Parts: sequence; structure tokens; C-alpha cells
Amino acid sequence: EIVMTQSPATLSVSPGERATLSCRASQSVSSNLAWYQQKPGQAPRLLIYGASIRATGIPARISGSGSGTEFTLTISSLQSEDFAVYFCQQYKNWPPSLTFGGGTKVEI
Amino acid sequence: QVQLQQSGPGLVKPSQTLSLTCTVSFSVGSISSGGYYWSWIRQHPGKGLEWIGYIYYSGSTYYKSSLKSRVTISVDTSRNQFSLKLSSVTPADTAVYYCARVMSNGAFDYWGQGTLVTVSP
Repeated sequence: EIVMTQSPATLSVSPGERATLSCRASQSVSSNLAWYQQKPGQAPRLLIYGASIRATGIPARISGSGSGTEFTLTISSLQSEDFAVYFCQQYKNWPPSLTFGGGTKVEI
Repeated sequence: QVQLQQSGPGLVKPSQTLSLTCTVSFSVGSISSGGYYWSWIRQHPGKGLEWIGYIYYSGSTYYKSSLKSRVTISVDTSRNQFSLKLSSVTPADTAVYYCARVMSNGAFDYWGQGTLVTVSP
């Protein structure tokens, strides 16, 4: 099974600052990676797929990069609505298998 | 536009079977239109996301290996519904359960609202 490791576990930033979240795969997943945002009491929301393709309605301040084993989610200027938990997910061998990272909490 | 609405009990007794249903609404199309898989994911309190399994409209299924012996996912295309059954539950199965649509590339683009299922006597 491909293991996804996210860092840091918690990221403390101020509104207007840049946030950089990391996701590492235990083996290459090429560009088969997605990012999700989850707010308390809500379902996850797809932000990025294909490592860098924004999903419908996702603002340009949110971007994804990387390939192989190292990936980054960048929020260029944090807004109040961006404070949430972010998960990465690989789907290289899908179907059948896929795995999620443990998440990074972005807090003030 | 696609909407997923979950239903099912929030409390299940140990050793019993957890049963949840996800009803899918489309502005255009149906589950039978194909092109997508339909999945169940769970999230233990305060933890990350765990994929359980998924189904295609044809009935083909894939399950996470560690849950395979206890999981059944089925689809009712006439009702645009798919369902999860998890047997022999224990308190370790207490979690928020989500249904979701899986794009052809493997990313989840639409999610249900989530159901907190507590396993307790």
C-alpha cells in the first residue's frame, strides 16, 4: 500500500500570509494526487486533482504542484474561509486502491 | 449538478450490521450513465479519511482489504441509490460515514453530508 505523509500536522498562519502544505508518497504516484479541504462538521471538498488542476469553483489563490513523491498545496494569501484541515489522496493504482494522508490543520 | 443524500441509523449495537444508503440526484443523467464509481469513506472522530470501498453501476465492487470480510456495497440503479452494509460492528467502527462519487481518475468530486454512526449497547 502506498503511504501518504503530510506535514506539518498543524500550520499556524495569519490572514493574508502564504501557506505551504506538503504531502509525500512512499513511492511514486506520478501526478495521480488530489487535495481536499474539510471544515468542522462538513464533508471534504475537492480542491485539486491531477496534482495541479483546480476543481470547479476553486479560487486561483489555491494551487497544487509536484509529481512523483513530493507534492505541495499553496494558498497564496490566506482568507478567513481557508482555515480548515487539508488532506491529500493518491490514486495511482486506482482501481482498485487509493489512500489518504493524515491531514494538515491550518489555523490562525 | 449532483447531490448525494445519506440516510440510515446513527446508532448500532455491537455485533449487528451497520446499514447506510446514499441517494443520488442529478440535474442530468443517472447512476446508470456510467463513467463514475460510487464510494463509501469513513472518518473516525478527530482522525483522517479511510476509504471503505466502491461500486460501479454494473455492480462491480472493490473493497479495502482489511474490511473486505465484513463489507457489502450494492447499487439500485432504478432508484439512483447505493448502499453500505458493514457486519459484526464493534465500537472501533464508530465514525462519520460519507458516500461520494469517484471520478474516472480516482478523485472524489461530490460528497454526501456524512452520517455519524455510533456503535454502542
